[in-house]
Amino acid sequence: EVQLVQSGAEVKKPGDSLKISCQGSGYNFPSYWIGWVRQMPGKGLEWMGIIYPGDSDTRYSPSFEGQVTMSADKALSIGYLQWSNLKASDTAMYYCARPRRPGKSRGGAFNIWGQGTMVTVSS
Amino acid sequence: DIQMTQSPSTLSASVGDRVSITCRASQSISSWVAWYQQKPGKAPKLLIYEASFLESGVPSRFSGSGSGTEFALIISSLQPDDFATYYCQQYNTNSWTFGQGTKVEIK
Repeated sequence: EVQLVQSGAEVKKPGDSLKISCQGSGYNFPSYWIGWVRQMPGKGLEWMGIIYPGDSDTRYSPSFEGQVTMSADKALSIGYLQWSNLKASDTAMYYCARPRRPGKSRGGAFNIWGQGTMVTVSS
Repeated sequence: DIQMTQSPSTLSASVGDRVSITCRASQSISSWVAWYQQKPGKAPKLLIYEASFLESGVPSRFSGSGSGTEFALIISSLQPDDFATYYCQQYNTNSWTFGQGTKVEIK
């Protein structure tokens, strides 16, 4: 079964660092982009960026450039999203997702989603 | 960045109604549009890709249309399981954007 399993919920303080993960299984992990999507409480979906695990090519949404870092370990089939200085405004659900088609030419629609990781930042 | 303007933001409808949600892109994106359904506390679910292709396992009452800058998601006969929030997404380049979402409520 193709799936993405994300790490568990986190509660952090402002200024903390954090790295959450997204484990892929059942498919050739290096060959598919992994995207990250933020959903703040009661709000819509926001595309944060994508990473191609095969060569770590990364594209960030302008809204998130410099605010987060995406990485991937293709040998372990894990994608990561990390922060070095969390803010209360980072409180949100974070989803990883995989597009329908492999390859770098065009990622495509996301048909496989992780279950989400809730990040709460509060003093 | 390509912007996706989705409307309406909220839609009240009854079981059996035909429902239409639209998305307008800020520039031409060919047919590189997807539609998702999201229920509270759940990850989004892909319904339509490349503007009009039905994802496997999705009921045929869902359909998509459009190209260029104007796109639509149509539910031909609304069912109780369809009350949810729907999002469009463009993927014209390796830079995705979501619409603001449409909440479909029970009338």
